Amino acid sequence: KNQVEQSPQSLIILEGKNCTLQCNYTVSPFSNLRWYKQDTGRGPVSLTIMTFSENTKSNGRYTATLDADTKQSSLHITASQLSDSASYICVVSEGGYNKLIFGAGTRLAVHP
Amino acid sequence: EAGVAQSPRYKIIEKRQSVAFWCNPISGHATLYWYQQILGQGPKLLIQFQNNGVVDDSQLPKDRFSAERLKGVDSTLKIQPAKLEDSAVYLCASSLSVGGRTDTQYFGPGTRLTVL
Repeated sequence: KNQVEQSPQSLIILEGKNCTLQCNYTVSPFSNLRWYKQDTGRGPVSLTIMTFSENTKSNGRYTATLDADTKQSSLHITASQLSDSASYICVVSEGGYNKLIFGAGTRLAVHP
Repeated sequence: EAGVAQSPRYKIIEKRQSVAFWCNPISGHATLYWYQQILGQGPKLLIQFQNNGVVDDSQLPKDRFSAERLKGVDSTLKIQPAKLEDSAVYLCASSLSVGGRTDTQYFGPGTRLTVL
């Protein structure tokens, strides 16, 4: 069964600190992996997209890594800000038809 | 560029009532998606349209849910009759095309449905 699992479920960090969110998947065939940020009460917004051949991609203070052999990805947030408080959702695209399998998300709270 | 628009933003109904949600995708986007997001979970695809044709509706509870995309632009999602377990946020998303491996989906703000 195609699944995407994320950890931790929730995380609290202090402003200015770094953190890393994890994503494991069993989706096959694999097309690409995306990280989305979802603010409370809003729709998800794409942060990064990585295909099979890419193992790292950055978007500002967000850096995503992908290990297609172990089927793991991580999202590293550097120098966190209060505005980083949100849910971060790992999404894996199945096959070539852009069918997305969503993880349950990691809820991040950044405290001053 | 205007984003994906959805209305209403919030809806409260009693079980067995009917409800409809509306979505206006980004102009020029051929593909439109409806997702259901239950609290604490990731979104689940209900139906995917390319232009006005259905690409995937395998997870749509067809006994009570229906969706249409007339003229390949706006779309409506209807629930009739609603059940308690339908309480969720209904997200609409659009993308430029289907089949593109890295085609980005742009999401609307969602409609939060509460069924009492």
